[in-house]
Amino acid sequence: GENVEQHPSTLSVQEGDSAVIKCTYSDSASNYFPWYKQELGKRPQLIIDIRSNVGEKKDQRIAVTLNKTAKHFSLHITETQPEDSAVYFCAASTGGADGLTFGKGTHLIIQP
Amino acid sequence: ETGVTQTPRHLVMGMTNKKSLKCEQHLGHNAMYWYKQSAKKPLELMFVYNFKEQTENNSVPSRFSPECPNSSHLFLHLHTLQPEDSALYLCASSPRAFYGYTFGSGTRLTVV
Repeated sequence: GENVEQHPSTLSVQEGDSAVIKCTYSDSASNYFPWYKQELGKRPQLIIDIRSNVGEKKDQRIAVTLNKTAKHFSLHITETQPEDSAVYFCAASTGGADGLTFGKGTHLIIQP
Repeated sequence: ETGVTQTPRHLVMGMTNKKSLKCEQHLGHNAMYWYKQSAKKPLELMFVYNFKEQTENNSVPSRFSPECPNSSHLFLHLHTLQPEDSALYLCASSPRAFYGYTFGSGTRLTVV
């Protein structure tokens, strides 16, 4: 089955700086890669996703890049703000009837 | 509320008890999922239902039994659980497989 590795497990950045979280996946058939944000005590929420026919996608301060050859994808957050502090999960799916396979999560801490 | 409602929010049960978790969505989605979230572990896929048919059972012990009577409701029946089953159980739905999930708030389960 699919295996998703996520790094780093904890990331601390100064407010206003950029943050990058990286994930690798094992199944070359995976073609859907969402990112979720989970604040303390709350449910995971989809923040951005990318499909395999696209190399990059942006939504305001958030961007995701995908390298299918290397089987890795990354989340980029620019101009970080205190409300960006949360745990971020990457995931991958081959589509069809499969569920998502998640990474272990990255705890992002924004230092004031 | 995101449109996916889970009840109860918290549950404490003994190892000999039988209880059920409920998930309800009125988003018109056709796929529903159960995930287990434990500390310092990735979100673990348990069951996938696609158009009310179970399409994946991710090697889950038989003490967990899912039920999907219709495309809006999903249950997880629990019996003779172990303390290591204590976790946050998250339900999610998506329009169909290969699309981003909407998560419920989860049920925090404690087995004593």
